Amino acid sequence: AQSVTQLGSHVSVSEGALVLLRCNYSSSVPPYLFWYVQYPNQGLQLLLKYTTGATLVKGINGFEAEFKKSETSFHLTKPSAHMSDAAEYFCAVRRGGSQGNLIFGKGTKLSVKP
Amino acid sequence: GAVVSQHPSRVICKSGTSVKIECRSLDFQATTMFWYRQFPKQSLMLMATSNEGSKATYEQGVEKDKFLINHASLTLSTLTVTSAHPEDSSFYICSASPAGGLAYEQYFGPGTRLTVT
Repeated sequence: AQSVTQLGSHVSVSEGALVLLRCNYSSSVPPYLFWYVQYPNQGLQLLLKYTTGATLVKGINGFEAEFKKSETSFHLTKPSAHMSDAAEYFCAVRRGGSQGNLIFGKGTKLSVKP
Repeated sequence: GAVVSQHPSRVICKSGTSVKIECRSLDFQATTMFWYRQFPKQSLMLMATSNEGSKATYEQGVEKDKFLINHASLTLSTLTVTSAHPEDSSFYICSASPAGGLAYEQYFGPGTRLTVT
């Protein structure tokens, strides 16, 4: 079975500081991993994804994530936070099987202080 | 590209009535659409997976007679909440996978806020 654990339901950083959102996964099949962002009362927007190949994945808005198989992690980072980055972030893993559904973590709310 | 819309964005209904939510892929054809439910400050829970022209596959614990899903075309899926009750109040989000693409490539709609009074 697949599952996702996001460490920290709420992360607060200062504008310009490093953003680090943690995600650990378990998967019985080769993991396909995703990070999504959700702004209030909106749907989800894909930030980046890892399927195969290069383990360091670059996404939109300056975010990147590194797939570390030995640590079963897929942490999301951004070197310098902007106020506009304040949102809810969800890590997800592909569910094994033909449907390819996604299993989401519980989310991490990112606050950015001026 | 890859835009998914939902209608309505917000709906308030009285207990016992039915509500239909539409999910449309605007610029691509979607063989598979997914319906999620999100409680306040919680993650998305998959309710069902619908494939165009066939019956939806519901997740364990989701009442298929209460949450009716129809995927009649490659660009439209509907979720009908029948005999709604206050506990059905939630944020409902759909997503769509492009035809010929990978099932995990999902594009999400903006969500529908349902409030049952």
